[in-house]
Amino acid sequence: DTAVSQTPKYLVTQMGNDKSIKCEQNLGHDTMYWYKQDSKKFLKIMFSYNNKELIINETVPNRFSPKSPDKAHLNLHINSLELGDSAVYFCASTDRVNSPLHFGNGTRLTVT
Amino acid sequence: KNQVEQSPQSLIILEGKNCTLQCNYTVSPFSNLRWYKQDTGRGPVSLTIMTFSENTKSNGRYTATLDADTKQSSLHITASQLSDSASYICVVSAREYGNKLVFGAGTILRVKS
Repeated sequence: DTAVSQTPKYLVTQMGNDKSIKCEQNLGHDTMYWYKQDSKKFLKIMFSYNNKELIINETVPNRFSPKSPDKAHLNLHINSLELGDSAVYFCASTDRVNSPLHFGNGTRLTVT
Repeated sequence: KNQVEQSPQSLIILEGKNCTLQCNYTVSPFSNLRWYKQDTGRGPVSLTIMTFSENTKSNGRYTATLDADTKQSSLHITASQLSDSASYICVVSAREYGNKLVFGAGTILRVKS
């Protein structure tokens, strides 16, 4: 199946822990993103990578570190998790700037 | 205030009926406007993308319109089905910010039988 897949789907952890979310796309796209969807349902961009190079880094705490080992993968590592990090995180990819984004099905992170 | 405002916040309609969702934006200059459908527990899926020179675009029973002068867009759903129950998100691409996407909060549509 061609798609954007992210794991895990659910992640429950305690404050202060470090966790990672993985994302892979087999669509051959050059650009990948991480978005955060908060409780009010707004999707906000966190990071964008083009061909393994960081091109967008919104005002995200440096506890969040994206890593792109190759252009098909963009993982998100979060250090020292806080309650406010609880949200749904979506990975997405696209082949051109004005083309549709293809989203994964999200990772629901709950920090207790 | 968000640069992309959607209305109504939520909507309930009977199966088979039509409905129209609204999107007003202040992003300027803009590159394109998109509508996405997001089912519960899933990622958003693209329905349409329109540039400023297009004023209507259809995708099956979904028809999007765009008035770039008044900065308004609408998404019309014809002959609704139960599977249309979802959140519909309007997204505007801001040309001056490297085509950064600005998302609306979405309209939650529920289709009842």
